[in-house]
Amino acid sequence: DAGVIQSPRHEVTEMGQEVTLRCKPISGHDYLFWYRQTMMRGLELLIYFNNNVPIDDSGMPEDRFSAKMPNASFSTLKIQPSEPRDSAVYFCASSPGVVGETQYFGPGTRLLVL
Amino acid sequence: AQSVAQPEDQVNVAEGNPLTVKCTYSVSGNPYLFWYVQYPNRGLQFLLKYITGDNLVKGSYGFEAEFNKSQTSFHLKKPSALVSDSALYFCAVRRDTGRRALTFGSGTRLQVQP
Repeated sequence: DAGVIQSPRHEVTEMGQEVTLRCKPISGHDYLFWYRQTMMRGLELLIYFNNNVPIDDSGMPEDRFSAKMPNASFSTLKIQPSEPRDSAVYFCASSPGVVGETQYFGPGTRLLVL
Repeated sequence: AQSVAQPEDQVNVAEGNPLTVKCTYSVSGNPYLFWYVQYPNRGLQFLLKYITGDNLVKGSYGFEAEFNKSQTSFHLKKPSALVSDSALYFCAVRRDTGRRALTFGSGTRLQVQP
């Protein structure tokens, strides 16, 4: 299996622009998670899905952030408009729906908003 | 609420010596505990987990961890450190029921000197 795939790996954009991050989970996994990693806040959950349905979006910073999962093999995280404080590494992870499941992480997208 | 504490920002150890990376947690109910490792510019790689059963858990690359319920700890250990073990290590926790998202510690940088 190719593992969790994220694109792009790096994104540089200017403040105010729309940014779309993409994730392909491991085939057969029922859960998909979006995390953000910064020096100040560490690793924090943004949102997670179960069978394509958002279950917990309490970590989404504000209305500028939105996430979708139109099917079992694709998810997007969109920031509109982007701000410099959104600069971070965004990770996607997926896990199977079994007891004590392990989350498997993608390589991340490093976002820099100028 | 759940939380993880990794009290050491950095651990230094000589190659060949045993290493310990500390982790304590707080969660209501039974914990699921995980260790991940992150190499520079890479995603998080799963090392090992405790779900239930034997308190001593063995994982990848010779790492092991001991679950101690009374001390609410889950320290990561390795009998003989390698220079290639140098990386950032994260402890994570979630409850055995309910919300699936992991809560991560702040990370501990392990530096193994030749």
